[in-house]
Amino acid sequence: EAGVTQFPSHSVIEKGQTVTLRCDPISGHDNLYWYRRVMGKEIKFLLHFVKESKQDESGMPNNRFLAERTGGTYSTLKVQPAELEDSGVYFCASSRLAGGRGETQYFGPGTRLLVL
Amino acid sequence: AQKVTQAQTEISVVEKEDVTLDCVYETRDTTYYLFWYKQPPSGELVFLIRRNSFDEQNEISGRYSWNFQKSTSSFNFTITASQVVDSAVYFCALILDQTGANNLFFGTGTRLTVIP
Repeated sequence: EAGVTQFPSHSVIEKGQTVTLRCDPISGHDNLYWYRRVMGKEIKFLLHFVKESKQDESGMPNNRFLAERTGGTYSTLKVQPAELEDSGVYFCASSRLAGGRGETQYFGPGTRLLVL
Repeated sequence: AQKVTQAQTEISVVEKEDVTLDCVYETRDTTYYLFWYKQPPSGELVFLIRRNSFDEQNEISGRYSWNFQKSTSSFNFTITASQVVDSAVYFCALILDQTGANNLFFGTGTRLTVIP
């Protein structure tokens, strides 16, 4: 079974540009999560999809961030326009059951974003 | 609010030594789950263990063992006879056992270096 995959692995962009990150969850997983780790800090929750619906987006920092999960499969996270403080590692995770409690979340390798 | 503290930022040990990684958590909820993840140099977060707050039994898996003590709000992780392949960043995390509470709260991680 393939794990969570993320693309690209690295992205270097200039302030003001747009970047789109993609996440493919484990096949059959209804739940998809985005997290972010800014250098030296803890990994922080951004949002949670159940299938194609946003269940919780309380961690999204501002309206420059837009996440979608069309068709309930892969997800994209777009940052537009990017700012310096958006630099960090963006992790995607998935878990199996919608409505599950305390389910194990399986993580991808992350996308390292550097905004110059 | 939930909080996970990993006070040890970096630890170095010589191969074959035992090492314990500390994790202390804070929550007012009585039911929750605790996790440990390993982040090797390749970057992905690898799930190691999930523990329910009702189950305080220690767990052993090969060279890995976990000590969960609710009285001290700690969930410590011990590696016995460490190996170079154990070198990684280790994260402790907590999630509430509630419907709709699907975000993990992470500590800042402990970087373990095992010296051959």
